[in-house]
Amino acid sequence: QQQVKQSPQSLIVQKGGISIINCAYENTAFDYFPWYQQFPGKGPALLIAIRPDVSEKKEGRFTISFNKSAKQFSLHIMDSQPGDSATYFCAASPLSGGYNKLIFGAGTRLAVHP
Amino acid sequence: EPEVTQTPSHQVTQMGQEVILRCVPISNHLYFYWYRQILGQKVEFLVSFYNNEISEKSEIFDDQFSVERPDGSNFTLKIRSTKLEDSAMYFCASSERHLQETQYFGPGTRLLVL
Repeated sequence: QQQVKQSPQSLIVQKGGISIINCAYENTAFDYFPWYQQFPGKGPALLIAIRPDVSEKKEGRFTISFNKSAKQFSLHIMDSQPGDSATYFCAASPLSGGYNKLIFGAGTRLAVHP
Repeated sequence: EPEVTQTPSHQVTQMGQEVILRCVPISNHLYFYWYRQILGQKVEFLVSFYNNEISEKSEIFDDQFSVERPDGSNFTLKIRSTKLEDSAMYFCASSERHLQETQYFGPGTRLLVL
């Protein structure tokens, strides 16, 4: 129940294309859903996050879509660029339950080809 | 921009030895975490620390692990008797307030146990 399932494991997209990464969870206590971006040799960096009171959040080329009833959320990267090539992790946290810990998905390695 | 720093960047140790991983969280942050990432796998929560005590720990964080805030700036993770399976990248993170959403990650310490 603590798991966050992420797919696909790897993704190849052409420059200018749309990258879509999906995550699913089971624990209804999760109420904070961030996406982290990680470049080789670096720590994860927060990209964008959503709370379950909204179904979509957009920041620049990055959009989170959230489906509370299906317990799924996804990251869309519009106009993907070679500089977006990185590993992306979805995560979830039961913030309202008084816990800050992040439960991460397995990660998606994105390669954007020029 | 303030950032979380970690030392050393790489540590090689012999099985059974003690290691101390050091972190300097962002200066006004009050909530601290350790995560680990075994090569090629997802980031896993180890422990959270607030107000000089452990808030939550995972099943990975057994008696071989301990955390300490020895002074006003450092936050350490000690592994008392390292095992081969402790080889991983260890990330420190911090957040500004209790239950504040954004966790800022350091660059990590790569620990190799031989």
